[in-house]
Amino acid sequence: NAGVTQTPKFQVLKTGQSMTLQCAQDMNHNSMYWYRQDPGMGLRLIYYSASEGTTDKGEVPNGYNVSRLNKREFSLRLESAAPSQTSVYFCASSPGGLAGDTGELFFGEGSRLTVL
Amino acid sequence: AQSVTQPDIHITVSEGASLELRCNYSYGATPYLFWYVQSPGQGLQLLLKYFSGDTLVQGIKGFEAEFKRSQSSFNLRKPSVHWSDAAEYFCAVGAGTGTYKYIFGTGTRLKVLA
Repeated sequence: NAGVTQTPKFQVLKTGQSMTLQCAQDMNHNSMYWYRQDPGMGLRLIYYSASEGTTDKGEVPNGYNVSRLNKREFSLRLESAAPSQTSVYFCASSPGGLAGDTGELFFGEGSRLTVL
Repeated sequence: AQSVTQPDIHITVSEGASLELRCNYSYGATPYLFWYVQSPGQGLQLLLKYFSGDTLVQGIKGFEAEFKRSQSSFNLRKPSVHWSDAAEYFCAVGAGTGTYKYIFGTGTRLKVLA
């Protein structure tokens, strides 16, 4: 069972470069999320998509853009990377109100991004 | 403002000892409460959750947590810790509206001594 798959797992960028983190889920979930994890700060929500065709800002959206490509895929783009965006990024999904929804978030394994 | 506090950044226990990880929250409505565990290099996995009803909830891997509304707490416990429990533990709070914009605590890293 694949669950939530993120690519790439590791990436090193130079300041000003752009990149896209890809996320796909195979659980037919409605909702998808991008979090960043920094030491001592827990997980902070960057953007989320409640359902296909919608996206909304989370707690720390500045410097990021997202695209909900279809129900399965939710990408996160850094247009001009900055050292402050060095972090571990997690994609997650949830049923989003589907039958059997227990409130659980399902996480990918993370993408470690370093911006020099 | 909504918030989650995990006052212990690091906890070290001996294998076989009991464990309690603290979580306090500030939330305007009746919260949905969660504990997640993160093993090194992995994503987060749900341990247990509280929505309503019995305030003592059981989770996977022998963990339990007790919701105390009067103390705004949702502490995680385990009677006997195993070396494989070494990980980082996150408490989270949110509204059960179908889209879970949870607020996560800063995490507690558990070390288990053999």
